[in-house]
Amino acid sequence: ELKVEQNPLFLSMQEGKNYTIYCNYSTTSDRLYWYRQDPGKSLESLFVLLSNGAVKQEGRLMASLDTKARLSTLHITAAVHDLSATYFCAVTRGSEKLVFGKGTKLTVNP
Amino acid sequence: DAGVTQSPTHLIKTRGQQVTLRCSPKSGHDTVSWYQQALGQGPQFIFQYYEEEERQRGNFPDRFSGHQFPNYSSELNVNALLLGDSALYLCASSSALISGTGSSYNSPLHFGNGTRLTVT
Repeated sequence: ELKVEQNPLFLSMQEGKNYTIYCNYSTTSDRLYWYRQDPGKSLESLFVLLSNGAVKQEGRLMASLDTKARLSTLHITAAVHDLSATYFCAVTRGSEKLVFGKGTKLTVNP
Repeated sequence: DAGVTQSPTHLIKTRGQQVTLRCSPKSGHDTVSWYQQALGQGPQFIFQYYEEEERQRGNFPDRFSGHQFPNYSSELNVNALLLGDSALYLCASSSALISGTGSSYNSPLHFGNGTRLTVT
């Protein structure tokens, strides 16, 4: 059964600092997604990673994938308050269901 | 181009009652998946519908049932509501695709804004 673990679950950081969120998954998958969720809102797709070594960047966020280690990272550069949200990684295989991690609640303090 | 739309946005029900939630997929999508997200948790897969049939199901009791209509819209029904059913219910749509190697997969999911169900 495909399982996804994220850490940390809670992250409080200062504006301007860098940090990384980690996502491990248990078995082979062929697509990994990162989503953002604001309180009371739905899920916003950030990145989809398909292959080993894939790296995608959007603004202050950069996601990477190591399929051999079954690990993805979401790196935050020079955090700003607007990045405060909960970030989820999710993996899937073929047409199977999307399995989510528990999420990382990020709070960026001034 | 309308995205995934869900109704209602909020709902309050009493234990033992039944509820129906509705979802219209994004234009061009033929597959609908339903997720339950309890407070502070990640979304949990309930089931997926394709061609009006339940294609996959997560670990949810038979009290949770669904339907997909010919226009690809979908309903989620929950019977005999429990307090623990209180959650945000998310609908997601996608397209069923075939890769170059012939394997099936789904296009990236597009999520609706969800229905917040409170059971008292």
